[in-house]
Amino acid sequence: GENVGLHLPTLSVQEGDNSIINCAYSNSASDYFIWYKQESGKGPQFIIDIRSNMDKRQGQRVTVLLNKTVKHLSLQIAATQPGDSAVYFCAENTGGTSYGKLTFGQGTILTVHP
Amino acid sequence: DADVTQTPRNRITKTGKRIMLECSQTKGHDRMYWYRQDPGLGLRLIYYSFDVKDINKGEISDGYSVSRQAQAKFSLSLESAIPNQTALYFCATSSRPGTEAFFGQGTRLTVV
Repeated sequence: GENVGLHLPTLSVQEGDNSIINCAYSNSASDYFIWYKQESGKGPQFIIDIRSNMDKRQGQRVTVLLNKTVKHLSLQIAATQPGDSAVYFCAENTGGTSYGKLTFGQGTILTVHP
Repeated sequence: DADVTQTPRNRITKTGKRIMLECSQTKGHDRMYWYRQDPGLGLRLIYYSFDVKDINKGEISDGYSVSRQAQAKFSLSLESAIPNQTALYFCATSSRPGTEAFFGQGTRLTVV
């Protein structure tokens, strides 16, 4: 079936660098996307979301970009800090008859070196 | 107190035993979900409920059952646990379609 996937399972960066985490999705009916951060031993925590009628949304140090043409989502983290080290998941909300079910990607492990 | 509470946090059980994982939420959301997480994999949906009278199977419902006892409570049962059900289980809630889901801290289940 249709699902969300990630290009890179691991990403290592130096403190202060910018990080980009990518996600591909295949369900053209998806109308809402979320990025979650999961630290060791904890549940996923919301970072930022974007609706399908937008191309870009910015938060504090984070930006999500949505390219519906190629079904691609990315999370940009500016000035990455050691506290950003975690697993990052994208999730898509399938619309239509699925009425709001979240489907998660595989996850990317981000490691930030001091 | 956490908005979404899962009990127990950790559990070791034997093959063939019945086990129930419980979830309660104080957010007043109608929608509740159970996900399973395995190493190297994303969260996979087991069951979801959009209100007390609505229960739906997710992508990996075989071997599991659920009960929505009230708006605030959604429990997951393994009728006869098997070792490949060893995983991290998460409960989540959301208010409506197109909104974020809030997750509990997870239950680490080991079936030996």
